[in-house]
This record gives sequence, structure tokens and C-alpha cells, in this order.
Amino acid sequence: DTAVSQTPKYLVTQMGNDKSIKCEQNLGHDTMYWYKQDSKKFLKIMFSYNNKELIINETVPNRFSPKSPDKAHLNLHINSLELGDSAVYFCASSLGTGQGIPYEQYFGPGTRLTVT
Amino acid sequence: KQEVTQIPAALSVPEGENLVLNCSFTDSAIYNLQWFRQDPGKGLTSLLLIQSSQREQTSGRLNASLDKSSGRSTLYIAASQPGDSATYLCAFCSTDSWGKLQFGAGTQVVVTP
Repeated sequence: DTAVSQTPKYLVTQMGNDKSIKCEQNLGHDTMYWYKQDSKKFLKIMFSYNNKELIINETVPNRFSPKSPDKAHLNLHINSLELGDSAVYFCASSLGTGQGIPYEQYFGPGTRLTVT
Repeated sequence: KQEVTQIPAALSVPEGENLVLNCSFTDSAIYNLQWFRQDPGKGLTSLLLIQSSQREQTSGRLNASLDKSSGRSTLYIAASQPGDSATYLCAFCSTDSWGKLQFGAGTQVVVTP
């Protein structure tokens, strides 16, 4: 059973298009995250939701909009795609964010987005 | 600003040797530190998590230590195997960050048979 899954695994699209990436976790976790891994393999957080509420919103263009319909799902919608958006996007989840709870994060397999 | 540095950037060892991977961080307000493994084209696999109150964690051939005073964590892999070849990432979570992980650039490990 896959703990954190993402769809699609690969996404090739043209500049200016709008696309979405979906993430689901079956771990019963309250918190979910989106990370971006750029061409230099550096990982950086974009967003985090705790129990469907946005708690982390890094400096990300507002073309990126996360949505969490429930605790088990976190989607990422990207408008007007640009060449620089090409990267691997990872979803992750953790038990929660309360004090005393270890923030061990479990990652999905990633979505490789290529913008042409 | 928090920085996470991993040294060396790349490491090649013959099978059977022990691996020592270093991670340093600048923020003393650590909540926990997590070590991951990433295989080419794959996601991240969590290896070990050390909470701020712990000095080390062990899982099989893996041992991770944490020294908050010097801002360092070390991942030891005993008796390396070719299957250990991967990129190893450390990620720091501070106390006021709501779980935000800040990653180092990774150490790329090759274990030769």
C-alpha cells in the first residue's frame, strides 16, 4: 500500500497552460506539504496544510495555488506555466504540528514537470 | 537565516567500508533533524529522525548523532554495500517552523563492489 501517492508522475506541457498535481496520503496524518526540487536537486518547501488549513506559505508566485479538500488530499494548481516552473514537485505528510509531536515527514514519489 | 550544509558533496568508497556523512546547521532552535535517502529519479525515503532531546538514533547499520551545541549531525553507515549508493539528505526543522524542513544539498554516495 502506497503511503503518499502523487499523480501524475510525469507532466509535459507548454508555456502558458494551467495544470494540476494531486497528492493523497493514507497514513492518517493531519499535515501535508508541497516541496519543489529544482534542476540543481535542491529541495525547498512551498506550502503546508494542517487539517485543511494553510499554515506555511513560502515566497511562491501566486500562480501556484494549493488546495486541501480534506486531510488526506493536497492538490497543487499552477496557472500560466513558465519555463522556470520545470522541476520535480514532491508531496509529503507528517503526523501533525503540535508541540511534542515529531515532524517526521513521509514523501511521495514526485511529479516531474517539464514546461516547453 | 537558517543554513544546512552537507560535507562532502560526493563520496566514493569500496564495499565494506564505513560511511560518515556530515550535516551542519546554523540555527540552535532545533526541533528535529531528519535524514533521507534519494535514489536517482525517485522520491525521498526517511532513514532516521532525531528529536532535539536525543543524542542519537539507530536503525540497523545506520546510526545518526546530534550535537546541538556545535550544530552538527553525523550519519554513519556501517559495512557499506553497493545498494547504499544514493544521495543522502539531511533536513532541519526549527521550533517555530510548523514542520518546515530546510534541506542540505546532499551527499552523493557511490559504493563500489
